[in-house]
Amino acid sequence: GQSLEQPSEVTAVEGAIVQINCTYQTSGFYGLSWYQQHDGGAPTFLSYNGLDGLEETGRFSSFLSRSDSYGYLLLQELQMKDSASYFCAVREPHDMRFGAGTRLTVKP
Amino acid sequence: DTGVSQDPRHKITKRGQNVTFRCDPISEHNRLYWYRQTLGQGPEFLTYFQNEAQLEKSRLLSDRFSAERPKGSFSTLEIQRTEQGDSAMYLCASSFLSEGLGNEQFFGPGTRLTVL
Repeated sequence: GQSLEQPSEVTAVEGAIVQINCTYQTSGFYGLSWYQQHDGGAPTFLSYNGLDGLEETGRFSSFLSRSDSYGYLLLQELQMKDSASYFCAVREPHDMRFGAGTRLTVKP
Repeated sequence: DTGVSQDPRHKITKRGQNVTFRCDPISEHNRLYWYRQTLGQGPEFLTYFQNEAQLEKSRLLSDRFSAERPKGSFSTLEIQRTEQGDSAMYLCASSFLSEGLGNEQFFGPGTRLTVL
């Protein structure tokens, strides 16, 4: 079948590091993207992995292992403004399929 | 503002009525996507266009839903005979197709539909 699995909630404190995992099953795979969405806002693009390995963009990094159908988003030096929902999304030949999202709460 | 815009931002309608939403993508983007999002869920793919061609439509999408992008610029999404289950946020996104990029999609603010 086709599915994306990610934890529903994660809580961490300011300054900490958080890893949000995503596992997927898909019939056709081009790459894995990560999006951030604040309450009441639109999703915004964070990163994309088309090949295995680590992509780093500032405080955010994303990793992909295609053989394991697994990826993760790493958020470092957490800030209060990072409190949001984070979605992994599989890019397939004809669509983009999103997970249900991980709600990250950053506490002081 | 050169981002993706959607109109209206909110729509309240009665069950059985037809509604139409508009999306204006970023001007140089050739791909346009429609998604539906309900509370606590990720965006659900509905359909997408490359220029004016509708290349894919979700198999889960009812025949009551239709989308157009007649000149390869703005797009409309129409829902006929609305049902209460259609209540959701309807998101539009655009991107520029490039093999070397992650097909980063830029989302609009969405149209929140409430069917009474």
